[in-house]
Amino acid sequence: GNSVTQMEGPVTLSEEAFLTINCTYTATGYPSLFWYVQYPGEGLQLLLKATKADDKGSNKGFEATYRKETTSFHLEKGSVQVSDSAVYFCALSKPGRRALTFGSGTRLQVQP
Amino acid sequence: SQTIHQWPATLVQPVGSPLSLECTVEGTSNPNLYWYRQAAGRGLQLLFYSVGIGQISSEVPQNLSASRPQDRQFILSSKKLLLSDSGFYLCAWFAGGNTEAFFGQGTRLTVV
Repeated sequence: GNSVTQMEGPVTLSEEAFLTINCTYTATGYPSLFWYVQYPGEGLQLLLKATKADDKGSNKGFEATYRKETTSFHLEKGSVQVSDSAVYFCALSKPGRRALTFGSGTRLQVQP
Repeated sequence: SQTIHQWPATLVQPVGSPLSLECTVEGTSNPNLYWYRQAAGRGLQLLFYSVGIGQISSEVPQNLSASRPQDRQFILSSKKLLLSDSGFYLCAWFAGGNTEAFFGQGTRLTVV
């Protein structure tokens, strides 16, 4: 079946540090890949997505590239801010599937 | 645009009491609706999904049930809550494929 594996958290960084949150997936065919962000006490909101191999999703300074050869969709940001502190979820969906498959989430804490 | 309303935002209930969480959707018709649970420090677990009125699919056996009495209404219920039912419950709308999922603000349930 489909699955998503994320690096364990929490990830603690100083402001302006470089961020990488690893995400790998298992799925047959060609899933669409997503990163969602959850700020404290809130629901999830879409951060970025990529729908085919080699696509790069980007938003708010975050980027992730769909790598089919390594089945990965790592999230990166060149310079994090305190306001980026949140939980980040990697997810996939497939045509015909009726739900997203989420990773376990990675908590990011950015210190001033 | 699509909007999901979920209430209440927080709830403290004693063990053995009933539960009813409500989710309503605006801006779309015949949506696919989902209930997820996020236990403390853990990822998202899909509990139920519904593709139409009266149609409910359960992903995991548990103490909870779901109902879809109207096209844009999705209700999560329990007759007798357990301590293990504590968590953050999220309602979501997802059209499938490479589209974005929309989440409600969540309900934090504490069973005491």
